[in-house]
Amino acid sequence: DQQVKQNSPSLSVQEGRISILNCDYTNSMFDYFLWYKKYPAEGPTFLISISSIKDKNEDGRFTVFLNKSAKHLSLHIVPSQPGDSAVYFCAADAGGTSYGKLTFGQGTILTVHP
Amino acid sequence: DTAVSQTPKYLVTQMGNDKSIKCEQNLGHDTMYWYKQDSKKFLKIMFSYNNKELIINETVPNRFSPKSPDKAHLNLHINSLELGDSAVYFCASSYRQGQETQYFGPGTRLLVL
Repeated sequence: DQQVKQNSPSLSVQEGRISILNCDYTNSMFDYFLWYKKYPAEGPTFLISISSIKDKNEDGRFTVFLNKSAKHLSLHIVPSQPGDSAVYFCAADAGGTSYGKLTFGQGTILTVHP
Repeated sequence: DTAVSQTPKYLVTQMGNDKSIKCEQNLGHDTMYWYKQDSKKFLKIMFSYNNKELIINETVPNRFSPKSPDKAHLNLHINSLELGDSAVYFCASSYRQGQETQYFGPGTRLLVL
């Protein structure tokens, strides 16, 4: 039962353009969402998060959008840089008695070409 | 100064052996976690501890036993290793439990032969 899905296994973008990574979830109890970036042979690194009381959160080149009615969130990277090439994971937290249990999507490999 | 560190980074062992993976965080966080990344690349939580107390225990075989000697350390001991235990194991920590950013270690790549 995959409660968090990243349906695009990979995405290829030209340097300077926008990268849009998508994530869908099924559990309506999820109320906190995070994006992590992962380089090979390293642990996931936190990028940006959003609470369900917001529909947008920005941090520099990274913006996360949340559409609660569609149970969908997306990560926008503008402008994309070659160093952004990595695997991006979406994660969700149900709050309350989840005690910080994060449910992850399967990741999207982003490749940014110079 | 590594925030969340794990040892060893690589572990190759035979089926049936017992092994331990150690995790330490120097962030002053109260909560620590173990995740497993399987061959399909899904990251799934196994355990979490808050201030040395077990909080989350997902449906993990009881061959896996976490131990938290203090809130800066969370070790994972695995008995009678099986082929299916081959995976990357990540330790993480957060300031407190619940809706907090989790910071991950570099992972331990376990291969059971």
